[in-house]
This record gives sequence, C-alpha cells and structure tokens, in this order.
Amino acid sequence: GQQLNQSPQSMFIQEGEDVSMNCTSSSIFNTWLWYKQEPGEGPVLLIALYKAGELTSNGRLTAQFGITRKDSFLNISASIPSDVGIYFCAGQGVMDSNYQLIWGAGTKLIIKP
Amino acid sequence: EAQVTQNPRYLITVTGKKLTVTCSQNMNHEYMSWYRQDPGLGLRQIYYSMNVEVTDKGDVPEGYKVSRKEKRNFPLILESPSPNQTSLYFCASRPLGTLGRTGELFFGEGSRLTVL
Repeated sequence: GQQLNQSPQSMFIQEGEDVSMNCTSSSIFNTWLWYKQEPGEGPVLLIALYKAGELTSNGRLTAQFGITRKDSFLNISASIPSDVGIYFCAGQGVMDSNYQLIWGAGTKLIIKP
Repeated sequence: EAQVTQNPRYLITVTGKKLTVTCSQNMNHEYMSWYRQDPGLGLRQIYYSMNVEVTDKGDVPEGYKVSRKEKRNFPLILESPSPNQTSLYFCASRPLGTLGRTGELFFGEGSRLTVL
C-alpha cells in the first residue's frame, strides 16, 4: 500500500532544542494527523488538521497543513525529555470512501542527556 | 475510562500453533482496525471493520483472519503463525460518523508477538 514520505527517520537532539519533521505525499489529502507513540504504548493523537494552510498548536507543538495539500509539518519547541518517542504522520485521501489512513514510517526522537 | 484493550500484551509461540489476539473497546465505536508495526515500516493495516459483520482487507492481510460479531470486539486470528508474523500489533477504533473527523483513532497498548 501507499506510504507517506516522512523525514527525518530519527533525530538526536539536546534538551531545549527545537524540532522539525515533515511528511509529503504524491496525492492530495483532506486531513493530516500527527500521532505520538511513547515506548511501550500505542500511538496517541497530537494534532489534527482539516484545511489547507491551517496552522494548529497544542502546547509546544505546532503543525501545519501544507497549502498544496500534499504535505504537513510538525514543530516542537524547546524539547524536554518527555518528548521522546516516535512521531507518525497520517493522511486521509479524497478518493477513499472508507476514509482509510495512509501512514508515514515515523520519526524517532531521541534526546541526548 | 475510555479505552481499547488488547490481550495478550506479550506472546511467544511456535510456527503453526493457532493463536488469537483479542481487542475490545468500550467507546461504542463502529470502526475498528488492526495494524502491525515493524521497524522502518511504520504502521501497516491488516484488516478493518466498518461495523458489525462488515470486515475488509487492509494492506497486509495475508496470514490473518478477523471477525466482528459484536460491536465492542474485533479479534485477530493467526491460523498458522509463521516467523514473518513476529511483530508489534495494535488494535484501534474510532466513531464512524463524526463529521469530518474520521481519522482520529484510539489505539490499544499493543501486543508483541514472537513466532519461533
């Protein structure tokens, strides 16, 4: 099946640094979602985006729905140890009547002590 | 507490020994789905169900079966497990009819399966 192009695959950062990750698609999406998976847990929804150009924040997290509808970005400001985990993007296409999600492979965030 | 519950959380088994991973949700969600997670591949959908008695294949259905006899339960069945089914499995659910918000899935905590 189709998979989104999510980058980077992993990030090693210092506490306090800002983080940026993105997802791109070859097709247009109606919805972009960002999930976080902490070690030993299932993914949890962080931010949902429903309109092209939309910029949404959730605390230190900010995500944007690209204007072309083919990409999305997630930024984390002033990272802290509890930000560690795998971040997944997911998109919902316009052609699927069952509204199935297409997933990125994830960005693993590691914070250097 | 609203939740998706999977059992078992961890299982080591041998090739060919049938097993079932159960999934139950208490949120009255119509939609349920199974994913497997493998390093570098992210989440891949195995099967999904839009409602009771309605199931459909995802991207990687080979070697798996599901059933949806009740709204709250969606078990994943491996009739004859093989080593390539060693993976981390997640069950997820969501309401079907939430206008414009059909992507907000609620995940279980995962079931780590090892097939020897």
